[in-house]
Amino acid sequence: SQTIHQWPATLVQPVGSPLSLECTVEGTSNPNLYWYRQAAGRGLQLLFYSVGIGQISSEVPQNLSASRPQDRQFILSSKKLLLSDSGFYLCAFRDRGLDGYTFGSGTRLTVV
Amino acid sequence: GENVEQHPSTLSVQEGDSAVIKCTYSDSASNYFPWYKQELGKGPQLIIDIRSNVGEKKDQRIAVTLNKTAKHFSLHITETQPEDSAVYFCAASVTGTASKLTFGTGTRLQVTL
Repeated sequence: SQTIHQWPATLVQPVGSPLSLECTVEGTSNPNLYWYRQAAGRGLQLLFYSVGIGQISSEVPQNLSASRPQDRQFILSSKKLLLSDSGFYLCAFRDRGLDGYTFGSGTRLTVV
Repeated sequence: GENVEQHPSTLSVQEGDSAVIKCTYSDSASNYFPWYKQELGKGPQLIIDIRSNVGEKKDQRIAVTLNKTAKHFSLHITETQPEDSAVYFCAASVTGTASKLTFGTGTRLQVTL
């Protein structure tokens, strides 16, 4: 069966510190991968998506970057966190040939 | 790019009543419209979706309707139960290799006893 793992579940980081959030997918090959951010009480904003290894598209200019070092691994990073980076980060995948997304359980990031 | 608007932002219904959430989209090329349910502290889960070649789809107590001409689609939940309480998101995309879902801002549904 297909599963998506996202960690950590919660994270509190000081301003200016680095960030690395990891997402891995099992049970599928060559999926599309996505990073979304959800601010409190708001919708989901697409940050990055990837259609293959090393292929990253950025949707909004920001303090974050993404990488896909392996087919089923997607990493969200920052060199120096800002207060405005706080939020709920969601990773998702989409099987080739299908339309629906499957989301991970999310990481709640608080920058203090 | 695509823009999806969703209304209402909050909705309170009594158990057993129906709930309706409405969305509009801007890109006439969009052809895939899913609905997601998000419980507190969790990731969204797909509950139903509809494609542009269909006007209505039903799955037990949940139904979705699509009006391509008006570019709006709606989620209907009948016989609501307390476990239906959650945040619901609509979304739209153009299907394809590089498809990207654009989400509405969400509706917080509260089902009261």
